[in-house]
Amino acid sequence: DGGITQSPKYLFRKEGQNVTLSCEQNLNHDAMYWYRQDPGQGLRLIYYSQIVNDFQKGDIAEGYSVSREKKESFPLTVTSAQKNPTAFYLCASSGNLAGTPSTQYFGPGTRLTVL
Amino acid sequence: AQKVTQAQTEISVVEKEDVTLDCVYETRDTTYYLFWYKQPPSGELVFLIRRNSFDEQNEISGRYSWNFQKSTSSFNFTITASQVVDSAVYFCALSGDSGAGSYQLTFGKGTKLSVIP
Repeated sequence: DGGITQSPKYLFRKEGQNVTLSCEQNLNHDAMYWYRQDPGQGLRLIYYSQIVNDFQKGDIAEGYSVSREKKESFPLTVTSAQKNPTAFYLCASSGNLAGTPSTQYFGPGTRLTVL
Repeated sequence: AQKVTQAQTEISVVEKEDVTLDCVYETRDTTYYLFWYKQPPSGELVFLIRRNSFDEQNEISGRYSWNFQKSTSSFNFTITASQVVDSAVYFCALSGDSGAGSYQLTFGKGTKLSVIP
């Protein structure tokens, strides 16, 4: 089945550790995104990538890093520089229609807790 | 700057009642797109509808309907004869051109709908 997978579903991190969240899609989408969701809040964009080997900062990129070496994969690293990393992280992907935004489809999310 | 406001934080209805979720947006773009997503307790966002700024026709899909009014910058979502399975957080989102052909989604804070049996 086509879709977006994220792993792990739950992740616990000690303070000072870096952790990497996985996001894979088999929809042949060009663009991929990472969002952060805090309780009672909407989604905020961390990073996005429109093409392999290229990515852009979103609204809250500080303390995060990404890579896009393959079209299917867009891993997110939460570094120790991120002061408040406990949140729900959602990955999304979309096709790339020239001159118009494609609908973003979301993965099941990863819930990160800092101990 | 773009902004989406969902003024209703939480709504509770009894099963079979109709319910309308409000969404008001702000944008300077002349071309833009509006979306609704559903987030059930499992957490995954499920796409419901997309509407572009040139299409003000209302849309109906089963028990769901959407009312887009450019004059009031609103894109409201109505569920008719609500069911317990409709219980979720619903997000309205707006997409406009962020430059260089990049379209970013701006989300509202969501409305939590609880349907009581």
